[in-house]
Amino acid sequence: ETGVTQSPTHLIKTRGQQVTLRCSSQSGHNTVSWYQQALGQGPQFIFQYYREEENGRGNFPPRFSGLQFPNYSSELNVNALELDDSALYLCASSVTAGSYNEQFFGPGTRLTVL
Amino acid sequence: TQLLEQSPQFLSIQEGENLTVYCNSSSVFSSLQWYRQEPGEGPVLLVTVVTGGEVKKLKRLTFQFGDARKDSSLHITAAQPGDTGLYLCAGEADDYKLSFGAGTTVTVRA
Repeated sequence: ETGVTQSPTHLIKTRGQQVTLRCSSQSGHNTVSWYQQALGQGPQFIFQYYREEENGRGNFPPRFSGLQFPNYSSELNVNALELDDSALYLCASSVTAGSYNEQFFGPGTRLTVL
Repeated sequence: TQLLEQSPQFLSIQEGENLTVYCNSSSVFSSLQWYRQEPGEGPVLLVTVVTGGEVKKLKRLTFQFGDARKDSSLHITAAQPGDTGLYLCAGEADDYKLSFGAGTTVTVRA
């Protein structure tokens, strides 16, 4: 059983550019959540996808968007990059069922915006 | 503003000592999860506590969920250098969304 994988591991972009980050969920997991983690902070919830539909969103502007595919893998797209978008972007997969939802994280993508 | 407040922010202790990390909130959670994160890596799930008053033990780690399901603590006995890392608590709301604390950086010196 493979865990959550993310690509790329590191990325450098300039202000105003667009970026796409990718995540493959753990086998058997139907839900993917994306988080932004700034240096010295805990992860902040961006949004969650369940069965290819957005299933909740945190306090992030519309230039942060996402997709989930039939195989439950997911993409995070960020348009018009700003310097403050520099962070570690984490993807977590889980199974939405039952009374609670344990999330398993990938290694993250480190995005630097210059 | 973090929904969950963790304390202390930093903790540096000698190998063999005990430590406790606290996670507090004014919100009630359906579950609370503890993670450990190493530099440049994603958080790794340590435990999930669900029932108010629940205590879970994993070897030298003891996790407690408050009776009102608003707070939690992590206690490490006889800490080892391998316990060094960023410890994060995360509360799960009824909609399955996780809210994280800012984390406690633990350093165990050999």
